[in-house]
Amino acid sequence: DQQVKQNSPSLSVQEGRISILNCDYTNSMFDYFLWYKKYPAEGPTFLISISSIKDKNEDGRFTVFLNKSAKHLSLHIVPSQPGDSAVYFCAANEVQGAQKLVFGQGTRLTINP
Amino acid sequence: GAGVSQSPSNKVTEKGKDVELRCDPISGHTALYWYRQSLGQGLEFLIYFQGNSAPDKSGLPSDRFSAERTGGSVSTLTIQRTQQEDSAVYLCASSPQPARAEAFFGQGTRLTVV
Repeated sequence: DQQVKQNSPSLSVQEGRISILNCDYTNSMFDYFLWYKKYPAEGPTFLISISSIKDKNEDGRFTVFLNKSAKHLSLHIVPSQPGDSAVYFCAANEVQGAQKLVFGQGTRLTINP
Repeated sequence: GAGVSQSPSNKVTEKGKDVELRCDPISGHTALYWYRQSLGQGLEFLIYFQGNSAPDKSGLPSDRFSAERTGGSVSTLTIQRTQQEDSAVYLCASSPQPARAEAFFGQGTRLTVV
């Protein structure tokens, strides 16, 4: 039962353009969402988060959008840089419920020069 | 300050042997998670500790897997009678509180069962 889904295993974007990574979830009790970035042979590192009371959160080049009715969130990176090439995971949890972080399968982003 | 530390970084073991993986969380973090990532797969939840509450073991794949967290700090994940399908990177993470806070990950233990 995959509660958090990232349907695109890979994405290739030209340097300087916008990267859009998508994530869908099925558990309507999820109310906090996070994006992580992972380089090879390293643990994931936190990137940005959003609470369900918001529909947008921005941090520099990174913006996360949340559409609760569609149970969908997306991460926008603009402009994309070569150092952004990594695997990106979205994650979700229930603040008042199970609380454990549930991750998607990840999307490998490649930024081409 | 020190981050989450996992040991060993790599472990090669023979099928049927038991292994122990260790995680030292960030001091003061009450929540601790174990995940694993098999080749080409996402992060699979294994177990979650929060303070003195009973751990959420709902992700452990079989009774060969167990974990404990002593004194609310160090955690050990034990895999008994290892199988080849147990080969994966085992990741530990800790968080200052379970919700509305990011979890900080260690670098993982790469387990290879031969």
